[in-house]
Amino acid sequence: AQKITQTQPGMFVQEKEAVTLDCTYDTSDPSYGLFWYKQPSSGEMIFLIYQGSYDQQNATEGRYSLNFQKARKSANLVISASQLGDSAMYFCAMRERLSGNTPLVFGKGTRLSVIA
Amino acid sequence: DAEITQSPRHKITETGRQVTLACHQTWNHNNMFWYRQDLGHGLRLIHYSYGVHDTNKGEVSDGYSVSRSNTEDLPLTLESAASSQTSVYFCASSEGAGGSDTQYFGPGTRLTVL
Repeated sequence: AQKITQTQPGMFVQEKEAVTLDCTYDTSDPSYGLFWYKQPSSGEMIFLIYQGSYDQQNATEGRYSLNFQKARKSANLVISASQLGDSAMYFCAMRERLSGNTPLVFGKGTRLSVIA
Repeated sequence: DAEITQSPRHKITETGRQVTLACHQTWNHNNMFWYRQDLGHGLRLIHYSYGVHDTNKGEVSDGYSVSRSNTEDLPLTLESAASSQTSVYFCASSEGAGGSDTQYFGPGTRLTVL
């Protein structure tokens, strides 16, 4: 079974509007972390935001916030006030067993296109 | 500034040839990782290392090998390149502190096997 599922292969959003990118995960480990990365057309992978399973509040980083719903096992990325430069692939990833050193497991990604 | 570099950035090779992709980081990170990215598959883990002389197999390790002789470098070798190994390869590193330990990625190597 997939550990990370991103159900939206592609999305469009109007400039200056907010957009939510979905991510659901599967783990039986109570200690895990969720990460979002951005990959613009230039190809580099850029870390955006992190949420730990024990964090009491949803993570925020500038225009990025993470809508973390633990019971639903979802960790959706919310981008507020979209900009043309937000057009990119977005990947959700998870690390299990936070006390250890396990590698990240990635979803298949969502391509976001911001329209002027 | 500390960074992670990959070379070459583009490589074309023939089926059956041995190919080595270089990855070098100057953060002094303990952990290093190799992923491949293919359309429809996201990033899949090939091999990873938690320190010098340590290597571990990832999800798609068949046909690949790595060795870690120092902290800075983790070269990826394709023993006998196959067309199915045409892909974009990313190297990443992290401090190895667990928890919110973030992986930082190199710029990628686009490999074409003809």
